[in-house]
Amino acid sequence: SQTIHQWPATLVQPVGSPLSLECTVEGTSNPNLYWYRQAAGRGLQLLFYSVGIGQISSEVPQNLSASRPQDRQFILSSKKLLLSDSGFYLCAWSPWTVGELFFGEGSRLTVL
Amino acid sequence: DAKTTQPNSMESNEEEPVHLPCNHSTISGTDYIHWYRQLPSQGPEYVIHGLTSNVNNRMASLAIAEDRKSSTLILHRATLRDAAVYYCILRDNSGGSNYKLTFGKGTLLTVNP
Repeated sequence: SQTIHQWPATLVQPVGSPLSLECTVEGTSNPNLYWYRQAAGRGLQLLFYSVGIGQISSEVPQNLSASRPQDRQFILSSKKLLLSDSGFYLCAWSPWTVGELFFGEGSRLTVL
Repeated sequence: DAKTTQPNSMESNEEEPVHLPCNHSTISGTDYIHWYRQLPSQGPEYVIHGLTSNVNNRMASLAIAEDRKSSTLILHRATLRDAAVYYCILRDNSGGSNYKLTFGKGTLLTVNP
């Protein structure tokens, strides 16, 4: 069966520090991968999606970046965090031919 | 992605049925209707999806209007664990843009004991 894991689950970082959130999927190959962010009390905002290794599409211009160094690995990064980067970050995957999205457990980031 | 419109919030009593509406007047012929729900502090989970015919699974039923411009998620007997934000989204399965899924604000369902 397929599983998705993301870490760390909780992160408290000072403004200006770097960020790295990692997500891995197991039990499938060539998944579509997604990073979403949810600010407190808000809906889900699509940040990045990837349909293959090295292929990243950005939905919202900001100080975040994403990379896909391996087929089932998706990394969200920032060189310098802003207060507005605080939120609940969710990684998700989807098979190419089936519509469902499967979400990870989420990473809660607080920038102070 | 075609847009969907949902009420911001709804309230229900435990053990009663709940009908969550969604309008999608600009739906295209290749759009599937998907429903997800998000419990507090968790990632969304898939609930159900359909194209034209009504669908049932162990979690819920999906009723799709004949013109496909609206749909209704039906929880047959609400429990306290069904309290969540419910998202209705459209996914184009014709290829090309089907990898991009965007979520609206959803409907916050409150279930009263």
